[in-house]
Amino acid sequence: EAGVAQSPRYKIIEKRQSVAFWCNPISGHATLYWYQQILGQGPKLLIQFQNNGVVDDSQLPKDRFSAERLKGVDSTLKIQPAKLEDSAVYLCASSLESAGELFFGEGSRLTVL
Amino acid sequence: ILNVEQSPQSLHVQEGDSTNFTCSFPSSNFYALHWYRWETAKSPEALFVMTLNGDEKKKGRISATLNTKEGYSYLYIKGSQPEDSATYLCASHNAGNNRKLIWGLGTSLAVNP
Repeated sequence: EAGVAQSPRYKIIEKRQSVAFWCNPISGHATLYWYQQILGQGPKLLIQFQNNGVVDDSQLPKDRFSAERLKGVDSTLKIQPAKLEDSAVYLCASSLESAGELFFGEGSRLTVL
Repeated sequence: ILNVEQSPQSLHVQEGDSTNFTCSFPSSNFYALHWYRWETAKSPEALFVMTLNGDEKKKGRISATLNTKEGYSYLYIKGSQPEDSATYLCASHNAGNNRKLIWGLGTSLAVNP
């Protein structure tokens, strides 16, 4: 069974530039999560999708972050414009149901200079 | 408590030692408790998802217990090996429409050969 795929693995940009991350969840998983993990902190949920609907985006900085999950499968997370404090690992995870075990991708490490 | 708390924050043990960590979580509206292992440069991997008070789960040398009434879970590693070196994260699901996961900050384990 293929796991959760994410790209790019690494990205270095300058502040005020834009960046987009892509995630392909495990086939059949209805729930998709985007997490931000800053060094020394626990994962912070940015957005949770159930199929193609948003169920929780309360911690998504909506002035600069956006995410979509068209057709309830792949998802993209965009940051525009990036700030220095956005430097983090962005993890995508999926689960069969909203309370089930999470399967994580390898993450996308963003460095904002 | 409203947050998930893990202790200790970090731990250094010798190969062969047995060790344990604690995860404290909100006991009200409890639904499930997750344990994940996150090795450097890899994606987090689920160890256990536990729901029943008094439950004990085991995977090889790693086991976990759950007390939902008092809101804590212990993770035990018997005979630690260098490959056990990782950050161990716990997360609590509360009951509700989207069963949001609340994450601890993790316990960083280093096993010296």
